[in-house]
Amino acid sequence: GQSLEQPSEVTAVEGAIVQINCTYQTSGFYGLSWYQQHDGGAPTFLSYNALDGLEETGRFSSFLSRSDSYGYLLLQELQMKDSASYFCAAYGSSNTGKLIFGQGTTLQVKP
Amino acid sequence: EPEVTQTPSHQVTQMGQEVILRCVPISNHLYFYWYRQILGQKVEFLVSFYNNEISEKSEIFDDQFSVERPDGSNFTLKIRSTKLEDSAMYFCASSAQGRTSGELFFGEGSRLTVL
Repeated sequence: GQSLEQPSEVTAVEGAIVQINCTYQTSGFYGLSWYQQHDGGAPTFLSYNALDGLEETGRFSSFLSRSDSYGYLLLQELQMKDSASYFCAAYGSSNTGKLIFGQGTTLQVKP
Repeated sequence: EPEVTQTPSHQVTQMGQEVILRCVPISNHLYFYWYRQILGQKVEFLVSFYNNEISEKSEIFDDQFSVERPDGSNFTLKIRSTKLEDSAMYFCASSAQGRTSGELFFGEGSRLTVL
């Protein structure tokens, strides 16, 4: 089967750095994406790792280690508007572009 | 900025009724998807569509579900006989390059409530 594990909740203060981890078990793993969702609205793409290493996009970075079946999303200089749910999602062996999502991590940013 | 649009934003229906959810994907995208999210849970894959046919479907996507791309712009999800457990937010998504780019563009969703 395919599954992704991530913490259910994370709390941090404004201006801080937070890391959201994701471990996965997927057959024929291809790549790992991260999405942000505010209040049940449209998931919004944040970052994608097809290769090992760090991808940086502004305040957000994502890391992947294929050998450890592990990735993380790093959010820097947290702002109140970053309070949202964050999902890791994996592409498997299928070339249809199907994404399998984790359960999501609710990030609460406090003043 | 191009976006995926979905209608209706909210639909309430009686159990056993047929529902059609509509989507207009981004115009130059080739891959189309339906996902659903039950309140407070994860986003679940339903079906992918490429080159005018279903390319993959999940176990959830049983015989009561169907998809169509009736013209060059619309992409619809039909639920033939709704059940209480079909109540969820249904998201349409599209992609230009599938898993190569790693980015799906999601619509704002259609909330389906089955009574």
